[in-house]
Amino acid sequence: QKEVEQNSGPLSVPEGAIASLNCTYSDRVSQSFFWYRQYSGKSPELIMSIYSNGDKEDGRFTAQLNKASQYVSLLIRDSQPSDSATYLCAVNRPNSGYSTLTFGKGTMLLVSP
Amino acid sequence: NAGVTQTPKFRILKIGQSMTLQCAQDMNHNYMYWYRQDPGMGLKLIYYSVGAGITDKGEVPNGYNVSRSTTEDFPLRLELAAPSQTSVYFCASGRADYVNEQFFGPGTRLTVL
Repeated sequence: QKEVEQNSGPLSVPEGAIASLNCTYSDRVSQSFFWYRQYSGKSPELIMSIYSNGDKEDGRFTAQLNKASQYVSLLIRDSQPSDSATYLCAVNRPNSGYSTLTFGKGTMLLVSP
Repeated sequence: NAGVTQTPKFRILKIGQSMTLQCAQDMNHNYMYWYRQDPGMGLKLIYYSVGAGITDKGEVPNGYNVSRSTTEDFPLRLELAAPSQTSVYFCASGRADYVNEQFFGPGTRLTVL
């Protein structure tokens, strides 16, 4: 069974702190990794993509990938109450010449003022 | 660009009724997807399409049908609705490349009573 695992949370952090969200995946052939943000009652919004080992930074967000450990993480610096949402990890899954995404169940982040 | 649009936003069906969920995108993406999201269960892939006339089953296709006659449109058909199909349905689209970034529509909330 090819899976993407995330801690369901909630992860509670105070405003201004660093929030660290983690994801592990089981399919070693996966090549592309994504973080989506989903506010309550809304659709998922792509916030970060990462394809190579190491760190990728975009504003307050940093995605980290370690393919050897099959581990992806998302760091949110200077967390704001507006960052409170569920964060979905998604992993590209090659499938007979095409590819689909497998999603984790998401981690709820709560940022308190 | 409107991006990915879905209609209707909300719908209540009686058991045994049928309906079509509409999805359209104006980004000239070849790939389109249908997901369902149940509380605490993450996103599950129902069907996907890699181009006009080409569709394939995802993880949970039973009870659904799709067609893709144009690049822009990807309707999802529910035949003989059952309470188990109560869910939020998301359509997504993406470019035909190895990266497989996907962009989501606003969703349709369906209740079957």
